[in-house]
Parts: sequence; C-alpha cells; structure tokens
Amino acid sequence: QVQLVESGGGVVQPGGSLRLSCAASGFTFSDYGIHWVRQAPGKGPEWVAVVYSDGSKKFYSGSVQGRFTISRDQSNNIVALQMNSLRVEDTAVYHCARDFKSGHSDYWGQGVLVTVSS
Amino acid sequence: EIVLTQSPVILSLSPGERATLSCRASQSINGYLAWYQQRPGQVPRLLLYDTSNRATGIPARFSGSGSGTDFTLTISSLEPEDFAVYYCQHRSNWPVTFGGGTKVEI
Repeated sequence: QVQLVESGGGVVQPGGSLRLSCAASGFTFSDYGIHWVRQAPGKGPEWVAVVYSDGSKKFYSGSVQGRFTISRDQSNNIVALQMNSLRVEDTAVYHCARDFKSGHSDYWGQGVLVTVSS
Repeated sequence: EIVLTQSPVILSLSPGERATLSCRASQSINGYLAWYQQRPGQVPRLLLYDTSNRATGIPARFSGSGSGTDFTLTISSLEPEDFAVYYCQHRSNWPVTFGGGTKVEI
C-alpha cells in the first residue's frame, strides 16, 4: 500500500533552518511528483512546493519562494524540503503528498510539526 | 495566483439532508478543480477531481458541477460520517491553491 512518512520536524528559532524528509513506499516512486502541503493549527491546507516525477521541474508558493528548496533522491525514494530563514508564520504541520493529475494529491502522509518560535 | 473563495463558511444541516457547497475562483480554471474532505485529526481525502470525477472509493452521493469560475459540491443525503470540513483546490497553473474551507456541521 502507498505510504508516505515525514520526518525532521521540531522547534526552531526565527531565522533558523530545518530539513524535512518524506520516505515513500508502495508505489513506483519515479512515476509520481511529490508535493509538500502545510496546515497551520486550526487552518486549511496551504500548498508549499512540488517536484516533478523526474526531478526536472520544481515549483513553490510565493510565501516560501527563495527560502525553501525541494529535492528528490530517486535511489532511496525520498523527497526533502530544505527550509531556511524560517518565520513564525511557517509554523504548521507539514505533509508530503503524492501528485494526482499534475496538481492534486491522492495520498498524504500524516505530517510532521514544525514550530518556529523564540 | 488564483484565489478560491468557498461559501458558506459553516453549513448547519441534519443527517439525510442535501448539502450544497460553493467554490468560486478569481479567474477561469478550465474545470481543473478538486474537492477534499477533512475529518478531525485526519489528513485531507480526495473526493472529486476535474470538477465532477469521483476519486477511487468515493460514494455516489458526492457529486460536483460547475465551469469557468463557479463550482459546486453536492452531497445528496448526508451520512453521519460526512460532517467534516471540505476544501476545494485548483490545478490550473502553479501555484495551486486551496480554498478556505466549508465546515458541514450537525
């Protein structure tokens, strides 16, 4: 069965960095794009970034452009999200999700909490 | 970026009633709209994509319609498990965006 498991969350001070990982299994990893979607406490989902199945293209939301970098390791079925210059407003549960129809998501990981606080 | 506005914010109904949820886009999205359901403590679940296509395993009581900038999710007869928050999302271009959600409550 499709599984997506995030790791790397935690508490970081404003301006700090954190690297999230998403380990995928149960499907042919190289056939699918992977998204990161975050959800602040009590709020709706906010799309963050996507990496295409072959890693050739990456897109970001305006709120993280220039601060976050998405990458994938095809050998180990892992997608990473490098988050730099973190802000208080980046506090959220971060989910990785499998792409469906070039933009939607059909399978989601349970997510990892990132807290940015001094 | 395309802004999706959902209404109403809260919809109070009883089991067995019909639910009609709206999602309006700030520009045409060519029908590239999906709906998700999120129950408390769970991740979003894909219900419909490309306006009206049900995702795998989604019951027939969920249907979608619309075109251009105005879209509707209809739940024909609410089951107890349908009381949840519903989000729309477009995939017309990057960045994809989500609407703010509609809570369907008893």
